[in-house]
Amino acid sequence: QQQVKQSPQSLIVQKGGISIINCAYENTAFDYFPWYQQFPGKGPALLIAIRPDVSEKKEGRFTISFNKSAKQFSLHIMDSQPGDSATYFCAASMGHDMRFGAGTRLTVKP
Amino acid sequence: DTGVSQNPRHKITKRGQNVTFRCDPISEHNRLYWYRQTLGQGPEFLTYFQNEAQLEKSRLLSDRFSAERPKGSFSTLEIQRTEQGDSAMYLCASRDKNYGYTFGSGTRLTVV
Repeated sequence: QQQVKQSPQSLIVQKGGISIINCAYENTAFDYFPWYQQFPGKGPALLIAIRPDVSEKKEGRFTISFNKSAKQFSLHIMDSQPGDSATYFCAASMGHDMRFGAGTRLTVKP
Repeated sequence: DTGVSQNPRHKITKRGQNVTFRCDPISEHNRLYWYRQTLGQGPEFLTYFQNEAQLEKSRLLSDRFSAERPKGSFSTLEIQRTEQGDSAMYLCASRDKNYGYTFGSGTRLTVV
């Protein structure tokens, strides 16, 4: 079931620093790679997503880097803020089948 | 209608009882998904509908789990004869054809 491996499990970053979360997948048929942000008591919210035909996508302070040959992708949060403190999930999907990583709990210290 | 609505938000039930959860998706989304999330884990896919048709149900956790979407709008997820291991957050998501999943806030089930 767990075809997406995410690390680290938890991350503490100082305000203004860069947060980096990594994911690796197994199935080369996956064709969509989103990142979700989840606050306590809420459902996951789509943050940013990438398809395998590009190597990088940037939206504001959030960047996905994608390495198709290594079957890895990562989320970079620039200028991390205390409000970014949440759990982040990577995912990989093909059609209706979306597999999630186990999550990274990010804490940004003021 | 600005999001996916799930009811109830919390449900406490005794082992062996049946429970039913409701999901109201974003009205223009024809795809609806159910996921289960346990503590410290990512969501786990259970089943999905396109309009009223349930197109994937092999990942439902056991035959005690069933889902319906009778008119292609809201959906229900039922768990019969609940067990303590069913305690989890049950998430519903709807999706437009451009892959954008929108999750509800979930129903947290506690089986005592």
